[in-house]
Amino acid sequence: GNSVTQMEGPVTLSEEAFLTINCTYTATGYPSLFWYVQYPGEGLQLLLKATKADDKGSNKGFEATYRKETTSFHLEKGSVQVSDSAVYFCALMNSGGSNYKLTFGKGTLLTVNP
Amino acid sequence: DGGITQSPKYLFRKEGQNVTLSCEQNLNHDAMYWYRQDPGQGLRLIYYSQIVNDFQKGDIAEGYSVSREKKESFPLTVTSAQKNPTAFYLCASSRGDQPQHFGDGTRLSIL
Repeated sequence: GNSVTQMEGPVTLSEEAFLTINCTYTATGYPSLFWYVQYPGEGLQLLLKATKADDKGSNKGFEATYRKETTSFHLEKGSVQVSDSAVYFCALMNSGGSNYKLTFGKGTLLTVNP
Repeated sequence: DGGITQSPKYLFRKEGQNVTLSCEQNLNHDAMYWYRQDPGQGLRLIYYSQIVNDFQKGDIAEGYSVSREKKESFPLTVTSAQKNPTAFYLCASSRGDQPQHFGDGTRLSIL
């Protein structure tokens, strides 16, 4: 079956530090990959996505590249801000017929200190 | 603005009581989903519906029930059979293979 493994948190960084959150996946076929972000007390917001190998998703300074050879989709940001403090979820969608269910990783809590 | 509305934001359940969580969307999405979020466990799928009057069990459906009588609405009932209902519940919707949109969640606690 499908599965997503992301690095365990919590991750604590100082403002302007470089961020990497690792994500690897197991899936059949050619899944689409996503990063979602959850701010305290809120639902999930789509951060970025990639739908095929070598695609790079980017948004708000965050980037992730779909690497099929390593089955990875690591999230990076060059300079984090306090406002980036949140929980980040890696997810994949593998369409089984007309079924577009998401499989999520367990989430990584990021705290950015001023 | 289009979006997903979950209500209430906080809900309390007494022992032996059924409670219903509301989820409404005005995005004209065909598919809707319910997830349960527990600390350190990510999101787990409870039920999903791809079309009106049809729904399927997800990974943790026991103790829950749903209905899909209208395209816009997908209420979730947490029954007394669910022995550990305390969690954050998230509703989502999508169209085809597009990313899912999420509501702001309902936090359910036991009195």
